[in-house]
Amino acid sequence: AQKVTQAQTEISVVEKEDVTLDCVYETRDTTYYLFWYKQPPSGELVFLIRRNSFDEQNEISGRYSWNFQKSTSSFNFTITASQVVDSAVYFCALSEAHYTGANSKLTFGKGITLSVRP
Amino acid sequence: NAGVTQTPKFRVLKTGQSMTLLCAQDMNHEYMYWYRQDPGMGLRLIHYSVGEGTTAKGEVPDGYNVSRLKKQNFLLGLESAAPSQTSVYFCASRGGAPRGRDSGANVLTFGAGSRLTVL
Repeated sequence: AQKVTQAQTEISVVEKEDVTLDCVYETRDTTYYLFWYKQPPSGELVFLIRRNSFDEQNEISGRYSWNFQKSTSSFNFTITASQVVDSAVYFCALSEAHYTGANSKLTFGKGITLSVRP
Repeated sequence: NAGVTQTPKFRVLKTGQSMTLLCAQDMNHEYMYWYRQDPGMGLRLIHYSVGEGTTAKGEVPDGYNVSRLKKQNFLLGLESAAPSQTSVYFCASRGGAPRGRDSGANVLTFGAGSRLTVL
């Protein structure tokens, strides 16, 4: 069975600090996908990134960066120079691949509440 | 550019009442899902559907029923609401897998959520 653990529940930082959100996953599959979603105070869920298990390159998008390490089963998310608008709940999720085309359910972690203070 | 639309957005029920949440998507997606979100619990899968006319149980299906009579709609029903069903409900959809490929890569698109309170 697949599992996603986000051990940090709440993080509070001051604006312009860097912050890293941790995500550890468990799966028996060799092919799988990892996702991060953001849920701002308005409540909607916004897709941030998808990474497949064969691509261990780190990715950077503006102030956001992601560090995928298969050796430690982790997919951590770093926000550089945080801003108040980054305040949200962040979810990490895992989807196993099914080459038959069958449904691949997405398993979410419990989320990390990030508060960025001015 | 509607994406996934949920109705209603808010609802208050008394214990024992019934109601239906409607989810509609206009992206021709094969797969549709209902999740519930509770504090400290993350998102938990209630039921899902892999195509028109199909439904399957997720992680927390008890007390809910679903139907997918049309590809674009996925209904979540509560036959006899209980206070434990007070939650925020999210519908999501995702494209199916092309022949010979996997569906795991496809991104879920979520609705805006429906806040349900059962007194």
